[in-house]
Amino acid sequence: EIVLTQSPGTLSLSPGERATLSCRASQMLSSSYLAWYQQKSGQAPRLLIYGASNRATGIPDRFSGSGSGTDFTLTISSLEPEDFAVYFCQHNGASPFTFGPGTKVDVK
Amino acid sequence: QITLKESGPTLVKPTQTFTLTCTFSGFSLTTPGVGVGWIRQPPGKALEWLAVIYWNDDERYSPSLKSKLTLTKDTSKNQVVLKLTNVDPVDTATYYCARHVTAAPVLGAFDIWGQGAMVAVSS
Repeated sequence: EIVLTQSPGTLSLSPGERATLSCRASQMLSSSYLAWYQQKSGQAPRLLIYGASNRATGIPDRFSGSGSGTDFTLTISSLEPEDFAVYFCQHNGASPFTFGPGTKVDVK
Repeated sequence: QITLKESGPTLVKPTQTFTLTCTFSGFSLTTPGVGVGWIRQPPGKALEWLAVIYWNDDERYSPSLKSKLTLTKDTSKNQVVLKLTNVDPVDTATYYCARHVTAAPVLGAFDIWGQGAMVAVSS
């Protein structure tokens, strides 16, 4: 089973700042099978990025994903007020489709 | 428009069995490459993938919960049912169903989610 680790646990930033979130896998992943989700308080998760770097429908271009192998990154170039949320990575190459523990981006 | 919605009990006693129904619209579970999965989230905790069922009746389960979970689908009703047996308070969570598309471009991401259903396990 692939274990995903996310860091930091919490990222305290101000609107307009750049956010860099990390997701590390316990074994090599095909970049085609790494996704990122955003979850706002009280809401269901929403797909942000699939295939490590492809934005889902309707996702603003301030969100970008990168990485390969075991190290992946989600970057928010300039935080908007609506971006303060929890972000999860997930691998979806083969079951079990594990999620990372999440990174909370909150207001500094 | 693609939507999914979970329904089921809100309170269950320990050792009992409960079922949750995911009713979806805007896509078909007979289309090759399409699946419906279940993910849960205990209060204040991370997401946990549970299971997925595909258009071709293939089923995948979390290894740690495999003995407690069963998925069934009714393509005529556009529904997927999750059964969880011998529940415990640690099964208290919000349960989400989501569409799982194995074909390009999303290649297995859960692209559309239901709103979630909270189930509490308590005596």
